[in-house]
Order: sequence, then C-alpha cells, then structure tokens
Amino acid sequence: EVQLVQSGAEVKKPGESLKISCEASGYSFINYWIGWVRQMPGKGLEWMVIIYPGDSDTRYNPSFQGQVTISADKSISTAYLQWNSLKASDTAMYYCARHGSSSVRSYFNSWGQGTLVTVSS
Amino acid sequence: QSVLTQPPSASETPGQRVTISCSGSSSNIGSNYVHWYQHLPGTAPKLLIYRNNQRPSGVPDRFSGSKSGTSASLAISGLRSEDEADYYCAAWDDSLSGGVFGTGTKVTVL
Repeated sequence: EVQLVQSGAEVKKPGESLKISCEASGYSFINYWIGWVRQMPGKGLEWMVIIYPGDSDTRYNPSFQGQVTISADKSISTAYLQWNSLKASDTAMYYCARHGSSSVRSYFNSWGQGTLVTVSS
Repeated sequence: QSVLTQPPSASETPGQRVTISCSGSSSNIGSNYVHWYQHLPGTAPKLLIYRNNQRPSGVPDRFSGSKSGTSASLAISGLRSEDEADYYCAAWDDSLSGGVFGTGTKVTVL
C-alpha cells in the first residue's frame, strides 16, 4: 500500500526558513513523480511543483519558481519542500502527492495528510 | 489564478444528478487528459476520475467523466449527502510545462 506521511504543523515568523517533508513507502520511490499542492485558507488547490526522484528532474509552476525549492532523498524515500524566507502569504495547507504513473503528465493518485504552515509575526 | 474554469457551486436534491463543467484551452484540456478530485474539508484530496473517464478502484460508478475539445465535465448521479464536497478538475498544461487545477466547485446536497 502506498503511503505518504508528511511532517507536522509549523508556526514560523516572516523571514524564517522552513523545510517540510513527505516520507513515502509501499512503492519504488525513484520511479514516480512526487510533488506538492498548496491550499491557502478558504481557497482552492494549486499545483506547485513535482520532482522525479530517479534523476531529480523538476517541473515548477511559474508562480512558485524561485519562491520554493523541491528536493528528494532517494536513500530515505523522502521528498521535501523548502522556503528560504517565509512570508505571511505562505500560510497554507501543503499536500504532497504522488503521480499514478511514471509519466510527467500524470495525475495524483496518492496523497499525504497535509502539513499546515502558519507564518505570523 | 487558475487556467481551468469551473462554476463556484452546484446543488441538487438527493437522488438527482449534478454536472460540473471545466473549461480550459488547447494547451491543457485540448491536448491532455483531464482528471477529477474530490476534497472533503479536513481531509486529503481524493482522485475520482483519471484520464478523462476512468474510475480508480473503489470509486462508485455514480461518478463519471467526459471530455470534448477544450472542456470537460464530471457527473454525479444518484446524489448522496456524503457527496457534499469540493470538486476540482486538473490537467497538464503544455504552455506552463506543469499541472493546473480548476477553480473548484462546491457541491451541496439540498
């Protein structure tokens, strides 16, 4: 069974850095694209970024390019999403999700439980 | 701002059929598969339909998807109270070289 377990909720101040994680199990981590989806309070889902752990190829939503960094550690089957300088507007729920096939154009068929990030002074 | 447009809300009485539209363009729906997700408050989104009209194992056949040109739709027949949720379409966008979600539709069972 595919499982994606995300790190816990975070409360940060503007300007601080943050790295949240998504530990995968139940499948070959290097063979499927895995990525992050944002949901701001009261808003819809936003596709942020995906990575192919096998070769670290990435695809970013232009709106998030330069704002966040995705990475993956094959040795521990874990994907990460990182901010260098958080803003209040980064306050949101972040879901990690895995593609249903090895295609970059695929759909997300497995989801983590979500990580709530709150940025407030 | 999303490039896939959905109506903000839809409602119907139990047992009836509701249809949700998703309008895109040639760079997304027009040239790629459409997928649909159900999102209940406080839970992770769930894949409902993939590749335009395929249902994952465990999804009731009350849910069906279709696509024509640069638009797609999700139909829910035999509406039940547990179908109250937010529904999102999604597709790959060749111009963005990334995925896009629709604006989302809140379904209410009256």
